[in-house]
Amino acid sequence: GAGVSQSPSNKVTEKGKDVELRCDPISGHTALYWYRQSLGQGLEFLIYFQGNSAPDKSGLPSDRFSAERTGGSVSTLTIQRTQQEDSAVYLCASRPRAGASYEQYFGPGTRLTVT
Amino acid sequence: GNSVTQMEGPVTLSEEAFLTINCTYTATGYPSLFWYVQYPGEGLQLLLKATKADDKGSNKGFEATYRKETTSFHLEKGSVQVSDSAVYFCALSGSSNTGKLIFGQGTTLQVKP
Repeated sequence: GAGVSQSPSNKVTEKGKDVELRCDPISGHTALYWYRQSLGQGLEFLIYFQGNSAPDKSGLPSDRFSAERTGGSVSTLTIQRTQQEDSAVYLCASRPRAGASYEQYFGPGTRLTVT
Repeated sequence: GNSVTQMEGPVTLSEEAFLTINCTYTATGYPSLFWYVQYPGEGLQLLLKATKADDKGSNKGFEATYRKETTSFHLEKGSVQVSDSAVYFCALSGSSNTGKLIFGQGTTLQVKP
């Protein structure tokens, strides 16, 4: 079946612009995660959704970052007033349900470059 | 808070050599432990996992044992191949129900023919 998809695959934007990154999880997966992979910080958790609610937003680095999920499916990560330090690969993952032992399935990522 | 520490890379080995990548963790409660792999140009994929102490995860010739007494989850393979060249990430998921992953820094493995 279809895996996790993300769009766009690459995004180049100017400093100060807003960007939206999209994630389509595997159908039926109720749990959705956003992570960021950058050279300086490695792989960092950003936010977790269970259904449409986000009980854990503890990894969002600043109030310029926000995310939403609608219909228990698609999620959008929005970065306002982008800065150069936002340049990274943004990964989305989904799993069938919450629970520490279940595998997360990762998308291919969106590579964001802020110039 | 929870954290994962991996040996720094890159690790360069000849084909058929023995591989160990060290991973230690700090966590409260009883986390689940994972190894993820990222092949060149591909996304992260689960390699193996262990959900309780003394469990051994295994896949594709790789193994790792959950050692609570030493808070470790070292990855091993008896005979590496060129196709194993990739970045390997150790990760934990804490005992809360969120299931979020805390990753180590990643270790790059290069296997030469």
